[in-house]
Amino acid sequence: EAGVAQSPRYKIIEKRQSVAFWCNPISGHATLYWYQQILGQGPKLLIQFQNNGVVDDSQLPKDRFSAERLKGVDSTLKIQPAKLEDSAVYLCASSPRGGGGIEKLFFGSGTQLSVL
Amino acid sequence: DQQVKQNSPSLSVQEGRISILNCDYTNSMFDYFLWYKKYPAEGPTFLISISSIKDKNEDGRFTVFLNKSAKHLSLHIVPSQPGDSAVYFCAATSNTGKLIFGQGTTLQVKP
Repeated sequence: EAGVAQSPRYKIIEKRQSVAFWCNPISGHATLYWYQQILGQGPKLLIQFQNNGVVDDSQLPKDRFSAERLKGVDSTLKIQPAKLEDSAVYLCASSPRGGGGIEKLFFGSGTQLSVL
Repeated sequence: DQQVKQNSPSLSVQEGRISILNCDYTNSMFDYFLWYKKYPAEGPTFLISISSIKDKNEDGRFTVFLNKSAKHLSLHIVPSQPGDSAVYFCAATSNTGKLIFGQGTTLQVKP
C-alpha cells in the first residue's frame, strides 16, 4: 500500500515570496490533515478536510495561508506571502474516516520550508 | 496554552534497559491518548494508544500507562533497543477528533 506522498521535500524562499505544497493521501482515506511542525515543538493542526469539505481550520492563518482539496483526493497548501516564522516542516496526514476516537493518522515525510 | 506537555526534551538509556517517557495533559475532556514515533526526515508513525477507560495497554515491548487523576501518561519500552532511538510524541484527542501533540522527547538508546 502506497503511503502519503508529499512534495517538494525541501523548499527555500525569501520572505514575502509565495510557496505551495502538495499532498496525495493514501487511496480511499476520507480525511486529510495539514500540520505545521516548528523546530522543537510538536505538530500543530492547520486544517482538516473530510472528503473535500473543511472540518477544522481554526488554527490556519487565513490572511496568508490557504488550502484546498479538490475532488476529495489530493490537496495543496499555499503560503502567500511567507514570513520568517513560517519556517517549519509541513506534514500532511490522512486517515480512513476521521471524526474522533483512536484512529491512526498516516503521515507523509513532510516538506521542510526555510524562509530567509 | 500547552494542553499536552512533554517536559523532558531528551532521554538517554543503555540498550536492554527500560525507557520511560512521560506526558502530562491539562484538558479533562481528552479521552484517547496516542504515542507517535518519528525518525529524522520521516513523518511520525503511530506506535500505541490507550482509551481513558483503561489504565494500561501493552503491545510487545511497549506499554502505555494512564493515570487520569494525575492527568499523566507514560510510555515504557522494555527492553530498549538502538533502533528505538527517535523522537516520541504524545498526543491526545477528544470526540472532536482533533489531535493535540506534545513537544516531543528525543530518545537515544546507546549500544
